Amino acid sequence: DTAVSQTPKYLVTQMGNDKSIKCEQNLGHDTMYWYKQDSKKFLKIMFSYNNKELIINETVPNRFSPKSPDKAHLNLHINSLELGDSAVYFCASSPWDNQETQYFGPGTRLLVL
Amino acid sequence: AQKITQTQPGMFVQEKEAVTLDCTYDTSDQSYGLFWYKQPSSGEMIFLIYQGSYDEQNATEGRYSLNFQKARKSANLVISASQLGDSAMYFCAMRVMYNNNDMRFGAGTRLTVKP
Repeated sequence: DTAVSQTPKYLVTQMGNDKSIKCEQNLGHDTMYWYKQDSKKFLKIMFSYNNKELIINETVPNRFSPKSPDKAHLNLHINSLELGDSAVYFCASSPWDNQETQYFGPGTRLLVL
Repeated sequence: AQKITQTQPGMFVQEKEAVTLDCTYDTSDQSYGLFWYKQPSSGEMIFLIYQGSYDEQNATEGRYSLNFQKARKSANLVISASQLGDSAMYFCAMRVMYNNNDMRFGAGTRLTVKP
């Protein structure tokens, strides 16, 4: 019954590596998002996708690239990981015609060593 | 630019009492939505309550109510009859309606409920 799922839940990796975080929603929503929550708990939107179209990109480095193979998935790929990328990354989704809320995934805790 | 401010990094409340978490926002847009989310220690984000800028009545959801004062640009969350399980981080957020995919979050308030 998981609405928005993310894998992995934890990710520990070395600087310079490339990694991906997967996100899937089974709610039939049209729009999906990626957020970054830093150590101070600030939550910032990184990307959103609507029908495979990138809607916004909040000055995120181009090392980060969202990939959406279909409407139910929005994966986050990160190249050349840096120490500052350590954070919790949240995926979320919402229906296009009901913008009252976004449903969040459980988060992926990324630690770059 | 839109901005959300939560000035209380931490709050304490006695079990069964009510508590108000402050949130102010700044926007020049007339049409927007305000949200509150709860993040327990397990890390997930849980939607609590929503208020539209044109809604005349304050939103309520069970023990949660949103004290919306449009002229003051505040959207405080009121939790009545606090429970130990309410201990968590609480985030206020705003989305302007012309850009449905741009959601701004405050820094959060850590609420601790004392037995």
